[in-house]
Amino acid sequence: NAGVTQTPKFQVLKTGQSMTLQCAQDMNHEYMSWYRQDPGMGLRLIHYSVGAGITDQGEVPNGYNVSRSTTEDFPLRLLSAAPSQTSVYFCASSLYSGLSYEQYFGPGTRLTVT
Amino acid sequence: DAKTTQPNSMESNEEEPVHLPCNHSTISGTDYIHWYRQLPSQGPEYVIHGLTSNVNNRMASLAIAEDRKSSTLILHRATLRDAAVYYCIFGYGGSQGNLIFGKGTKLSVKP
Repeated sequence: NAGVTQTPKFQVLKTGQSMTLQCAQDMNHEYMSWYRQDPGMGLRLIHYSVGAGITDQGEVPNGYNVSRSTTEDFPLRLLSAAPSQTSVYFCASSLYSGLSYEQYFGPGTRLTVT
Repeated sequence: DAKTTQPNSMESNEEEPVHLPCNHSTISGTDYIHWYRQLPSQGPEYVIHGLTSNVNNRMASLAIAEDRKSSTLILHRATLRDAAVYYCIFGYGGSQGNLIFGKGTKLSVKP
């Protein structure tokens, strides 16, 4: 299994541009989520999904959209990038939602918005 | 929010045991306790989790207090590779439970 994969690894955007961060998992996990991590901080939950076709907002959802059309993929869309969205983005998955299951994290996408 | 209290930093010597404490006084009966760690420039990595009983796996042991208001992650023999930020998290075991990260404990391991 490749586990949780994220692309790209690095990205530089100009203010106002849009882009999609890709996340995929090959473990047939129902639950997937996106976090952002700012320098020196812990991770903050952006959006999550408990299964295909179902998404919900986390702690910091503004400026981001998600969709879950398949079990494997959970892309994160930045609608109009702002410098405040400069961060490292992590995708995670687990078998089901809820903390009775361990979560697996991807390697991250480092995004800079100028 | 599911709030935990952890020391900001700890130091250990290589090949010695390390006990990382965590307070979670607002934990409820259905909340699981998770530990993750994050090595520099990497994504978080699952370490261990438990509900009521002490738990062991190949990476670590988790000791949960009888009242469940605190727990301790035990690394039996620290290696240089164990230098990381360790996050203690608790949350609902059923659906809608999400990992809510705090700032964690930065563990340094001296050779």
